[in-house]
Amino acid sequence: QVQLVESGGGVVQPGESLRLSCAASGFTFSTSGMQWVRQAPGKGLEWVAFIRNDGKSIYYRDSVRGRFTVSRDNSKNTLYLQMNNLRAEDTAVYYCAKDFNWGFDYWGQGSLVTVSS
Amino acid sequence: QTVVTQEPSFSVSPGGTVTLTCGLSSGSVSTSYYPSWYQQTPGQAPRTLIYRTNSRSSGVPDRFSGSILGNKAALTITGAQADDESHYYCLLCLSTDIRVFGGGTKLTVL
Repeated sequence: QVQLVESGGGVVQPGESLRLSCAASGFTFSTSGMQWVRQAPGKGLEWVAFIRNDGKSIYYRDSVRGRFTVSRDNSKNTLYLQMNNLRAEDTAVYYCAKDFNWGFDYWGQGSLVTVSS
Repeated sequence: QTVVTQEPSFSVSPGGTVTLTCGLSSGSVSTSYYPSWYQQTPGQAPRTLIYRTNSRSSGVPDRFSGSILGNKAALTITGAQADDESHYYCLLCLSTDIRVFGGGTKLTVL
């Protein structure tokens, strides 16, 4: 069965960095686009970034472009989100999700990132 | 900036039918935006219900259906059950590189 397991979340101060990982199994990772979605406490879902299966097309929401970098290692079936210069408004649960037909079909359980001084 | 709109809340009686909608602050939603729908209960990851306007995700009961109604995407739940009480989010692909969620609808079954 498909599994997506995020890790790497934690508490950091504004301006610091953090890298999230998403370990994938149960499907052919190298042929699947992947995405990151976040959800601030008590708020709705917010699309963050997309990476194509080969890593050659990458898109970001405006508020994270230039600070966040999405990447993948198809040999390790792992998706990454490098987050630099973090802000309080980046505080959220971050989900990785498998891209499917312009949406998502599978989701991880999420990793909490807290940015606070 | 284009905003994706959803009803903040809705209620339905057990066994009843409810239609939630997903619109745009300017313009109409069409199948070209590949609308999809997600269900989320508190503390849980989202669950995919509908993709590409009206295709049900694996394991989703046929009580859930997607469509375009007028100028909006729509999610219809027929025969509502207690465990349908959740938040529902739509997602639109405004372009190849822009995907936007609606603000979500909190559905109460009572």
